[in-house]
Amino acid sequence: KAGVTQTPRYLIKTRGQQVTLSCSPISGHRSVSWYQQTPGQGLQFLFEYFSETQRNKGNFPGRFSGRQFSNSRSEMNVSTLELGDSALYLCASSDGLAGPTNEQFFGPGTRLTVL
Amino acid sequence: GQQVMQIPQYQHVQEGEDFTTYCNSSTTLSNIQWYKQRPGGHPVFLIQLVKSGEVKKQKRLTFQFGEAKKNSSLHITATQTTDVGTYFCAGRASGTYKYIFGTGTRLKVLA
Repeated sequence: KAGVTQTPRYLIKTRGQQVTLSCSPISGHRSVSWYQQTPGQGLQFLFEYFSETQRNKGNFPGRFSGRQFSNSRSEMNVSTLELGDSALYLCASSDGLAGPTNEQFFGPGTRLTVL
Repeated sequence: GQQVMQIPQYQHVQEGEDFTTYCNSSTTLSNIQWYKQRPGGHPVFLIQLVKSGEVKKQKRLTFQFGEAKKNSSLHITATQTTDVGTYFCAGRASGTYKYIFGTGTRLKVLA
């Protein structure tokens, strides 16, 4: 099975711009979660999509949004970028069920730098 | 909201020494997962604990879930240089499919 893929791997943007990140989960997985990782704040939960519906949401401003397509691929969008948005954005794929095998498989991440 | 704290934040040990990281949640958890992230890498799943008081072992790693399902620990016996990385716990509250990650414990092993 192919792992979780994220594109692009690296991105440099300037303040005020917007950005779209993409995540392709493991085949058969219907849940995609997004996390922001920074040295100071650790791994912060952004949102989780399951079968094209946002099922859970973290405490991020509305500038952060996402969606999921029928093939389970997910995108995350950040509008009006701020310097503080510089981070590693990770997506995690899982079966999305509250069972014994719902481990999350993380992608390599997208490193976003906002100048 | 739900918060998950981990201690210590950093730990340096000599190779061969034991290491323990503790995870505490502000709310009762449905289950807890543990991940390891190597420097420059992404988190990799280690284990999931579901039952109150559960103990699981993976070679030199021992995981425990507290009786009240609000705390957990990871113990590594006789650390090796390959154990270097940051260890995260991630807890899920009942009725939600949202994992809140702990602050992480960065482990350095000195040869």
